[in-house]
Amino acid sequence: AQSVTQPDIHITVSEGASLELRCNYSYGATPYLFWYVQSPGQGLQLLLKYFSGDTLVQGIKGFEAEFKRSQSSFNLRKPSVHWSDAAEYFCAVGAQGGGKLIFGQGTELSVKP
Amino acid sequence: GAVVSQHPSWVICKSGTSVKIECRSLDFQATTMFWYRQFPKQSLMLMATSNEGSKATYEQGVEKDKFLINHASLTLSTLTVTSAHPEDSSFYICSLYDSSGNTIYFGEGSWLTVV
Repeated sequence: AQSVTQPDIHITVSEGASLELRCNYSYGATPYLFWYVQSPGQGLQLLLKYFSGDTLVQGIKGFEAEFKRSQSSFNLRKPSVHWSDAAEYFCAVGAQGGGKLIFGQGTELSVKP
Repeated sequence: GAVVSQHPSWVICKSGTSVKIECRSLDFQATTMFWYRQFPKQSLMLMATSNEGSKATYEQGVEKDKFLINHASLTLSTLTVTSAHPEDSSFYICSLYDSSGNTIYFGEGSWLTVV
């Protein structure tokens, strides 16, 4: 079955600390992988995506993610978190050449001063 | 600028009435659009795939007679929630796929509250 798992429902980090949000997927075909961020009451903003090529993907706002096929993972990282990064983060997987996405449960990030 | 326009952003309707949400592609012709639903504090769940000129494809468990999808043109898909009930209150968001750029665009979403 196709699925996306974000093991951490809620994470709290101190401002300036590093961040890693985990994402594991189960997908029969070669996946397209995405990370989105959602602020309360808002829509989705694309942070980064992976289709092929270099497995380390750079995104906006200083985020990066690494695709590890052997581990079926696509973890999101940021070296230094800012208070404005507090939001809900969603990992998603889709088929190449299509637009249908399967989302993970989301990880709520809190940033403490 | 925005590629996808979704309207309305917020809507409140009475129980038993119907409400229509529009999703417009602003920059290109979209033969396929997607509708998702997100309950508070939950993830996004795909409801249906909207196909221009043909019937929508609904995901398992989604009532096609309750959530009517019309994709009459290459730039507009509509989702109509019929006979709405409070449990239909949710965040509805559309997306479209641009094959030329290999990119998925999301609308800003629509908050529906049924009272």
